[in-house]
Amino acid sequence: GNSVTQMEGPVTLSEEAFLTINCTYTATGYPSLFWYVQYPGEGLQLLLKATKADDKGSNKGFEATYRKETTSFHLEKGSVQVSDSAVYFCALRLAGSARQLTFGSGTQLTVLP
Amino acid sequence: DAGVTQSPTHLIKTRGQQVTLRCSPISGHKSVSWYQQVLGQGPQFIFQYYEKEERGRGNFPDRFSARQFPNYSSELNVNALLLGDSALYLCASSLAGQGDSGNTIYFGEGSWLTVV
Repeated sequence: GNSVTQMEGPVTLSEEAFLTINCTYTATGYPSLFWYVQYPGEGLQLLLKATKADDKGSNKGFEATYRKETTSFHLEKGSVQVSDSAVYFCALRLAGSARQLTFGSGTQLTVLP
Repeated sequence: DAGVTQSPTHLIKTRGQQVTLRCSPISGHKSVSWYQQVLGQGPQFIFQYYEKEERGRGNFPDRFSARQFPNYSSELNVNALLLGDSALYLCASSLAGQGDSGNTIYFGEGSWLTVV
């Protein structure tokens, strides 16, 4: 079946530190890959996406590259801010399927000033 | 423009009761999906509806049901509530139903259900 495995948290960093959150996937077929962010008390917001191998998604200083050879989609940011504190979810969706996202378990990020 | 709106935001039910959660998609969006997010876990897909027809179903018991109305709003019903049904229920909407991998899926803020 399809699944997403995320680096376990929580992750605590100091402001301006480099962030990496690992994400690997298992899928039958060729999925689109996503990172969603959930701020405290809020719903999910799409952070970035990539729809095919070697695509790089980017938004708000975050980046992730779709690596088919390693089935990975790691999230990175060069310099985190306190406002980046949230839960980050990696997700996949198979092409041609219903609007069904398969999520990882989430990684809690706390950035300290 | 309004995003995906859900109601109620919080509710408490007793075991064995029934609950109905409501969702209004973004204007123009015809696809609505429901997800269950248990505390500390990622969301799990429950249903997807497009043009009032069920297009996908996750691994949930028959106690869970949903429907979509002509105005594309949707309801999720859960019967015979169990303690384990306590979760955040998220509604998501998108333009298309299937096949278009480029369509972004937008989530509402969810309905917090506590079963006691």
